[in-house]
Amino acid sequence: AQSVAQPEDQVNVAEGNPLTVKCTYSVSGNPYLFWYVQYPNRGLQFLLKYITGDNLVKGSYGFEAEFNKSQTSFHLKKPSALVSDSALYFCAVRLGSQGNLIFGKGTKLSVKP
Amino acid sequence: GAVVSQHPSRVICKSGTSVKIECRSLDFQATTMFWYRQFPKQSLMLMATSNEGSKATYEQGVEKDKFLINHASLTLSTLTVTSAHPEDSSFYICSAPTSGVTDTQYFGPGTRLTVL
Repeated sequence: AQSVAQPEDQVNVAEGNPLTVKCTYSVSGNPYLFWYVQYPNRGLQFLLKYITGDNLVKGSYGFEAEFNKSQTSFHLKKPSALVSDSALYFCAVRLGSQGNLIFGKGTKLSVKP
Repeated sequence: GAVVSQHPSRVICKSGTSVKIECRSLDFQATTMFWYRQFPKQSLMLMATSNEGSKATYEQGVEKDKFLINHASLTLSTLTVTSAHPEDSSFYICSAPTSGVTDTQYFGPGTRLTVL
C-alpha cells in the first residue's frame, strides 16, 4: 500500500539555524512528491513539488527539498529558520495519473527566537 | 499560486440539521475538486473526488448519502453534510488542481464545523 511517513511529530529549531523536516515514502511506481504548510485554522499552502528532473527542488519562502530515490526520502530543508516558519508541515505523494494526494501525518515545526 | 476559497469558514449547527460548504476556484477552472477531512492534530483524509458534470467518487468508508457533493460548474463544488451529528464535527478542506487532475493541488482555507 502507498504511504508517506513523517517520523517526527515535532521539530524544534532556534531562529537562524538550519531546519530539516523528514519525509519518507513507500509507493510502487514513480512518485510525485509535495510539501505543504498549514498555519492554525487555515488550509494548506503549497510549498514545492518534485515531479522529475533535478533532485533538489526549490520552493516558496526559501524552502527546498531533496528527492533521494535510493532512500525513498524527500526531506524539507531551509538554511536559516524564521520564527514565522512555525507551522504544521505535510509531506504528500501522488501516484502518476491519480489525482488524490496521500498525506503524511504532519510535523509541527517550532522556531524559537 | 492559484486561489481556492471556502465558505463558510466556521459553522456551528444543531444535531440533525444539514450544512452546506462551498468551495470555489477563483482564478481558474477546475473540472475536479477534492474534499478532505482533518481531525485535530491529524492528517488530511480524502473523502471524495468531485467531478464537474458527473457523480462524485467517494473513498471507502465515506457515506455518500450523508456527505452530498455537487459540482455544478467549473468553479464551484459544494459539500452538504446531511443530518449532522456531533461526530461530524471536523475541519473540512477542499482542493483543486489548476489544470488537469495531475497538476498541483491548491487548497481552500478550510471550514470548521461544530455540531452541537
